[in-house]
Amino acid sequence: EDKVVQSPLSLVVHEGDTVTLNCSYEVTNFRSLLWYKQEKKAPTFLFMLTSSGIEKKSGRLSSILDKKELFSILNITATQTGDSAVYLCAVQYFGSARQLTFGSGTQLTVLP
Amino acid sequence: ETGVTQTPRHLVMGMTNKKSLKCEQHLGHNAMYWYKQSAKKPLELMFVYNFKEQTENNSVPSRFSPECPNSSHLFLHLHTLQPEDSALYLCASSQGLAGVSNYEQYFGPGTRLTVT
Repeated sequence: EDKVVQSPLSLVVHEGDTVTLNCSYEVTNFRSLLWYKQEKKAPTFLFMLTSSGIEKKSGRLSSILDKKELFSILNITATQTGDSAVYLCAVQYFGSARQLTFGSGTQLTVLP
Repeated sequence: ETGVTQTPRHLVMGMTNKKSLKCEQHLGHNAMYWYKQSAKKPLELMFVYNFKEQTENNSVPSRFSPECPNSSHLFLHLHTLQPEDSALYLCASSQGLAGVSNYEQYFGPGTRLTVT
């Protein structure tokens, strides 16, 4: 059975801290891994990762994929209160059986 | 604003009611999706449409009936729902099928459904 596991489930930090969110997966026919940020309703796309070892960066956020060890991390540096959200990891795979498998998410709370 | 809109944003319905959720995307995408998000559970894929044709029905009960009249519009018709169907229903679209190529999905704001 395909699985996507995120850790930690929740995290509370103070502004200025750096956080690392983890996503491990066990899927057949892996194609890509995606990170989303969900604040109140709609998830917002952050990154799509397909190749191992290539860091994707957007401002204070960065992410990298390890296809050998089957995990990805999402780093947020100099956190701000606006970073408070649920961060979702999802895995796409070949074939039409299912489109995406999502993890349960990490609830990040950044305190002022 | 992601280019995907959903109406209504909130809906309260009784178990004997019939209602419909609407999703519209203004991105020129060809694939559209319905997801269900219940409290403290991962997103669950419900239906997938590609070029108006349903490609996936993820074992969804028949009280949920999707309709895709064209690539820009997607409906979810609801009838005789149960209280456990209360959830956030999210619509998404992508240029192509997410499982076929590396097309990211863009989500709408969701409809918060409460079944009483």
